[in-house]
Amino acid sequence: NAGVTQTPKFQVLKTGQSMTLQCAQDMNHEYMSWYRQDPGMGLRLIHYSVGAGITDQGEVPNGYNVSRSTTEDFPLRLLSAAPSQTSVYFCASSPYGAANYGYTFGSGTRLTVV
Amino acid sequence: EDKVVQSPLSLVVHEGDTVTLNCSYEVTNFRSLLWYKQEKKAPTFLFMLTSSGIEKKSGRLSSILDKKELSSILNITATQTGDSAIYLCGGAGSYQLTFGKGTKLSVIP
Repeated sequence: NAGVTQTPKFQVLKTGQSMTLQCAQDMNHEYMSWYRQDPGMGLRLIHYSVGAGITDQGEVPNGYNVSRSTTEDFPLRLLSAAPSQTSVYFCASSPYGAANYGYTFGSGTRLTVV
Repeated sequence: EDKVVQSPLSLVVHEGDTVTLNCSYEVTNFRSLLWYKQEKKAPTFLFMLTSSGIEKKSGRLSSILDKKELSSILNITATQTGDSAIYLCGGAGSYQLTFGKGTKLSVIP
């Protein structure tokens, strides 16, 4: 049972490049979220999904897109990378929402934009 | 906008000390309060609190929720160096889980 798998673990991008951070879970969880973590800032919610085909914005959505075509996958797209998007990104999933079960987190993707 | 505030932001203690970490929240349609421990990588789940005044315990860690005061505390007794980590508090509403900035705990021998 792999849990929540994020790829890649590390990535360096040049300003203006685009890329997709992958997130997959094998627990049949309906709820999935993307957070970014910056030093001293805790975890900030970027986007979340309550099921396949349904997504919504969190606290810091600008510069990011998401889609949820299957229950298992929830990719995060950076449209035109900026140095301000240098961060550690965590994907998380939950069977019926964090309020009832909490989230299981992936191991994170460390992104540097130069 | 939902808001979660943790204090202190950092704390240095000696092994064997007891520590109390604080969390206050303003969350629309509040459902539960969650505590996570983060060492080098992903946060790991500690507690979920939904009912006011009921303490949850796991070994040397315990936590309690006060819905009247919109707050929670996490206690760690007889601290060990392995307790060194960032402790994150999150307030869960209907769909979103909002985290505070975390408390960085350092336990020195």
